[in-house]
Amino acid sequence: QVQLQQWGAGLLKPSETLSLTCAVYGESFSGYYWSWIRQPPGKGLEWIGEINHSGITNDNPSLKSRVTLSVDTSKKHFSLALSSVTAADTAVYYCARGGTTVTTTWFDPWGQGTLVTVSS
Amino acid sequence: SSELTQDPAVSVALGQTVRITCQGDSLRRYYASWYQQKPGQAPLLVIYGKNNRPSGIPDRFSGSSSGNTASLTLTGAQAEDEADYYCNSRDSSGNHVVFGGGTKLTVL
Repeated sequence: QVQLQQWGAGLLKPSETLSLTCAVYGESFSGYYWSWIRQPPGKGLEWIGEINHSGITNDNPSLKSRVTLSVDTSKKHFSLALSSVTAADTAVYYCARGGTTVTTTWFDPWGQGTLVTVSS
Repeated sequence: SSELTQDPAVSVALGQTVRITCQGDSLRRYYASWYQQKPGQAPLLVIYGKNNRPSGIPDRFSGSSSGNTASLTLTGAQAEDEADYYCNSRDSSGNHVVFGGGTKLTVL
């Protein structure tokens, strides 16, 4: 059964770069898109972006090119970097495995979540 | 359009049936997937595709779609079903993913 475990710094200052990594256990890395999703405190879910094993990415245009996604297939890790963070980037960040067909996209399973707080 | 709209809150009496809806133009092309999220936990996939339940999800959860509206139906709501529910799909371009704003389900 696939499991995702994520880690990264939880407290950042404005203008710093957020960096998170997610490890995939118990599943092949290929054949899926691997996503990052965040949730500000008390608010809803926001998709950040996705990457596959070949390094092909899609990301949320609302984040204005601050997102860098990378993958290390040898370690079965994928990572998120979000530059120039502000308080508005304070959220719980989740990694998730994305399944996609022609007609649908779903996320299962999810990592445990990492609370990232941006504060001076 | 890249938006999915959900009612902020819905309530249901214990044992009764409730429908949670998700509206958006992209749903004319894509099926929604649905997630249950309880406080302090990561979201849990409950329905994906036309009407598929992951292993371990009770069959009281079902999904349907018509036009620009996707629905999650809970038949015989239980106290443990009280949670926030989110829908998602691809946006109309197919290149990005969008989530609905979430619906807080209260079981009375």
